Amino acid sequence: EAQVTQNPRYLITVTGKKLTVTCSQNMNHEYMSWYRQDPGLGLRQIYYSMNVEVTDKGDVPEGYKVSRKEKRNFPLILESPSPNQTSLYFCASSLQGVVSPLHFGNGTRLTVT
Amino acid sequence: GENVEQHPSTLSVQEGDSAVIKCTYSDSASNYFPWYKQELGKRPQLIIDIRSNVGEKKDQRIAVTLNKTAKHFSLHITETQPEDSAVYFCAAHLNTGFQKLVFGTGTRLL
Repeated sequence: EAQVTQNPRYLITVTGKKLTVTCSQNMNHEYMSWYRQDPGLGLRQIYYSMNVEVTDKGDVPEGYKVSRKEKRNFPLILESPSPNQTSLYFCASSLQGVVSPLHFGNGTRLTVT
Repeated sequence: GENVEQHPSTLSVQEGDSAVIKCTYSDSASNYFPWYKQELGKRPQLIIDIRSNVGEKKDQRIAVTLNKTAKHFSLHITETQPEDSAVYFCAAHLNTGFQKLVFGTGTRLL
């Protein structure tokens, strides 16, 4: 089944403790991206990648890192999480960038205390 | 950069009525406008999209219209049904070579 898999679904952590949210897709998509969803703010793009070893900033990249070492994986890294990074995070992939349909993962609800 | 405003934030309709959600964008160079539907507790899913060289697109009960002069685009849902209850997000892509998609703040359709 074609899908985007995110893990974990729920994560509670403390300020400053490094964490990684994994994202994997099995559709051989070129494009992968991370979004955060906050009430009243919609979906905001954090980082995206058009190919292996190619990443670029979205609108809210501060405090986040990403890597694209393999085509199928695009992990999101929070080196020193802070409470303002408490949010619902979605990974998405598409065949050819944002002008083709985005396939979203199930989301990761992160709470930083 | 691109900015997308979406209205209303909440829309309540009776079953069978029509619903219209409107979005305005700031940059006239935007060229792609998708709409995503997010049911409660689930992931967003694309329901329809339109490109800047098209004025209207329909898919069964759903239609999207684009007015490039006024820089706004709208989602129209006819004969609404209970399963249409969800949050709807519009988005715009600025044709600058960057793969950025700017989303509106969402409309909760009840």
